[in-house]
Amino acid sequence: KNEVEQSPQNLTAQEGEFITINCSYSVGISALHWLQQHPGGGIVSLFMLSSGKKKHGRLIATINIQEKHSSLHITASHPRDSAVYICAVLNSGGSNYKLTFGKGTLLTVNP
Amino acid sequence: ETGVTQSPTHLIKTRGQQVTLRCSSQSGHNTVSWYQQALGQGPQFIFQYYREEENGRGNFPPRFSGLQFPNYSSELNVNALELDDSALYLCASSLGPFQPQHFGDGTRLSIL
Repeated sequence: KNEVEQSPQNLTAQEGEFITINCSYSVGISALHWLQQHPGGGIVSLFMLSSGKKKHGRLIATINIQEKHSSLHITASHPRDSAVYICAVLNSGGSNYKLTFGKGTLLTVNP
Repeated sequence: ETGVTQSPTHLIKTRGQQVTLRCSSQSGHNTVSWYQQALGQGPQFIFQYYREEENGRGNFPPRFSGLQFPNYSSELNVNALELDDSALYLCASSLGPFQPQHFGDGTRLSIL
């Protein structure tokens, strides 16, 4: 079993729909990242959070540390939101860094 | 403000060769992390350098090595290339080891 599981793997939505992507993890973490990757490879960091909720424009990220679960929501989705969304967890404990990634969720928003 | 830049953008090598990939960190950033992303997969953490010292390493063999320079730019070296090393190699810089990361566009390495 992977340390970081994302669901769904693929998601197709119509423009304007509310989108939710889920991430579950099995290890202790100090923080969780949500990343966006467009075709061609470029990755953009959307959020880094360790508790509660963060909002940036139409994007909202939440995390429940006790349940080891995070969600990324997109309100009023738009075709330009089409991308792969990746969850990654940052290890807790010790000073050495380790970031473990999920396999990503491919989101397609149709006009 | 200059972002993270990686070179080269594309590279083709053959099995057994050695390769060096380069990354210039964003201005003011002292930490560089390297990742390997195989086609259709999520990235995997290779290692991180903080102030010229390795600060963490993923499950990669010793033929993957790195270096960070006093200006905080970094190199990833891979020896004895194997077909499975074909991937997109991503570099990210940050203000510190546990700070939000800024990614470069990657180097696509193909092994023939």
